[in-house]
Amino acid sequence: IQLTQSPSSLSASVGDTVTITCRASQDMNRFLAWYQLRPGEAPKLLLYGASTLQSGVPSRFSGSDSGAEFSLTITGLQPEDFATYYCQQLNNYPYTFGQGTKLEI
Amino acid sequence: QVQLQESGPGLVKPSETLSLTCTIFGGSISKYHWGWFRQTPGQGLEWIGYIFYTGFTHYNPSLKSRVTFSLGTSMDSFSLKLTSVTPADTAVYYCARAFYDASSGSRILGFDPWGQGTLVTVSS
Repeated sequence: IQLTQSPSSLSASVGDTVTITCRASQDMNRFLAWYQLRPGEAPKLLLYGASTLQSGVPSRFSGSDSGAEFSLTITGLQPEDFATYYCQQLNNYPYTFGQGTKLEI
Repeated sequence: QVQLQESGPGLVKPSETLSLTCTIFGGSISKYHWGWFRQTPGQGLEWIGYIFYTGFTHYNPSLKSRVTFSLGTSMDSFSLKLTSVTPADTAVYYCARAFYDASSGSRILGFDPWGQGTLVTVSS
């Protein structure tokens, strides 16, 4: 399954709300996860099952889906949210990632 | 709280074998799948595969002919070997533990936690 993630980069300000989209090449179950990557840090699982928040992740992060399109929304950006975000499908082998979205100030 | 740390040479010559170890702190191999990933310069993330605590493995077909995973003897580490490397294998390599929830059984829903990653450069 190929995942097309958009946009590839995004500029926003603290307090803004942003949405990142991940479109799958075929219909799939909701086995989709979202990760945050910050330079020099371990990647962090934000959501799984398309919309379930991982324990410890702030509630400003949310996920939704409609058919083969999945979205990550961050409501009220905080300074620590400026990072790169990836979607990953775990429905079929091989597990694949979207191309990433770099969120910049 | 489980933490993971990747270790191994930062520089490997072309045609040689890349070997990395992931050490588990605060936990053990038991009952989990353990994954390897890489992020190549300017590119995105790639799933290399995983190894289950029983030794069962599943590799990405793109690397299957060159990669081997193994479990450590003391149940607190696992390893990756990638043969016949080329500069295209230059990447930050990550290890991670599979995540499941109560309703998924052994179905992997994501990977968490991850190590911080280690940069491996393939160059002569």
